[in-house]
Amino acid sequence: DIQMTQSPSTLSASVGDRVTITCRASESISDYLAWFQQKPGRAPKLLIYKASSLQSGVPSRFSGSGSGTEFTLSITSLQSDDFASYYCQQYKSYSPYTFGQGTKVEIK
Amino acid sequence: QLQLQESGPGLVKPSETLSLTCIVSGGTISSKNYYWDWIRQTPGKGLEWIGNIYYNGGTHYNPSLTSRVTMSVDTSTNQFSLRLSSVTAADTAVYYCARHASCPNCYFDSWGQGILVTVSS
Repeated sequence: DIQMTQSPSTLSASVGDRVTITCRASESISDYLAWFQQKPGRAPKLLIYKASSLQSGVPSRFSGSGSGTEFTLSITSLQSDDFASYYCQQYKSYSPYTFGQGTKVEIK
Repeated sequence: QLQLQESGPGLVKPSETLSLTCIVSGGTISSKNYYWDWIRQTPGKGLEWIGNIYYNGGTHYNPSLTSRVTMSVDTSTNQFSLRLSSVTAADTAVYYCARHASCPNCYFDSWGQGILVTVSS
């Protein structure tokens, strides 16, 4: 399996901050990486695909970068609606598709 | 707009079989462009992909679950199903159905709301 490791596990920030979440793959996945946002009691929501492509309807303060084994999700000017958990997921290999363990962005 | 909705029992006894159905609306499950997935989430293991099925019945399962998983599709009713046998408490989770396009765009772009399944006697 391709292991996905996110850091940090928890991130405390304030409205207006810029935050960055890192995701590392145990082997190269090219740019076959997606980022999801999840709020309590809700399903994950696709934010970014192909490492840096913004899903339709997602605010431009979200951005993704990276390739190979190291990726980042950045949120510029954090909004109150952005306090949530974030997950990366690789889709280079379907045997199996794997997710990171998640990063919770909480209010400082 | 595509919508997916999971249904099934919220409580299953240990050693029995968990059965869930996902009803697809706002789109056709017979599209050759998409695969239909099951994903579960637990506090301990996080998000875990269970497997997927294509409109023609072709399947891919997570190797860690393949001995206990069966998926099926019913194009006449636009729904697909999951069966997980010999369940234990470790199978207690929120189960999501989802969709992804054919690779290389095989990221999960639509999800159901999820259904909590508890395994307990």
